[in-house]
Amino acid sequence: GQSLEQPSEVTAVEGAIVQINCTYQTSGFYGLSWYQQHDGGAPTFLSYNALDGLEETGRFSSFLSRSDSYGYLLLQELQMKDSASYFCAVLDSSYKLIFGSGTRLLVRP
Amino acid sequence: NAGVTQTPKFQVLKTGQSMTLQCAQDMNHNSMYWYRQDPGMGLRLIYYSASEGTTDKGEVPNGYNVSRLNKREFSLRLESAAPSQTSVYFCASSEWGDNFMSETQYFGPGTRLLVL
Repeated sequence: GQSLEQPSEVTAVEGAIVQINCTYQTSGFYGLSWYQQHDGGAPTFLSYNALDGLEETGRFSSFLSRSDSYGYLLLQELQMKDSASYFCAVLDSSYKLIFGSGTRLLVRP
Repeated sequence: NAGVTQTPKFQVLKTGQSMTLQCAQDMNHNSMYWYRQDPGMGLRLIYYSASEGTTDKGEVPNGYNVSRLNKREFSLRLESAAPSQTSVYFCASSEWGDNFMSETQYFGPGTRLLVL
């Protein structure tokens, strides 16, 4: 079967750095995506990694290791507005985009 | 450029009623998806369409049907609604770069469905 594992909840302080991990087991693999979702809103796309390594977009970075079936999202200089749920998702070889169950990030002052 | 639009925004149904959720995108994307999200949960893939003219089952297709009407529109139909289908439904469209080296994906605002 297909599965993605990520922590259910993470708490961090404003200004700090937080890492959200994602491990996956899927039928084939094209890439790993990350999404942010605020309560009551729609998911918004953050990043996509098809190759091993680190991709940086402003305060957010995403990492992928295909050999370890593992990736993470790194959020730097945390702000209160970063409090949200973060989902990893895998594009498998059937072109399905499968989501993890999400990590709820709470940023404290 | 409206992105991904969904109608209706809210709907209340009685058990056994049918309805169609509409989704349209104006970004000329090839791939479209339907997800459901239950409270406090992740998104579960119902059906997807990798390209115009094709549709495939996702993780939870039972009780649903889809139609890729054209490249812009992808509808989701509940033939006989059940309380277990109470959820928020999101439509998404994607464009993948050559050899899936890049991704662009947008979600619609969602449809909140309550089945009594």
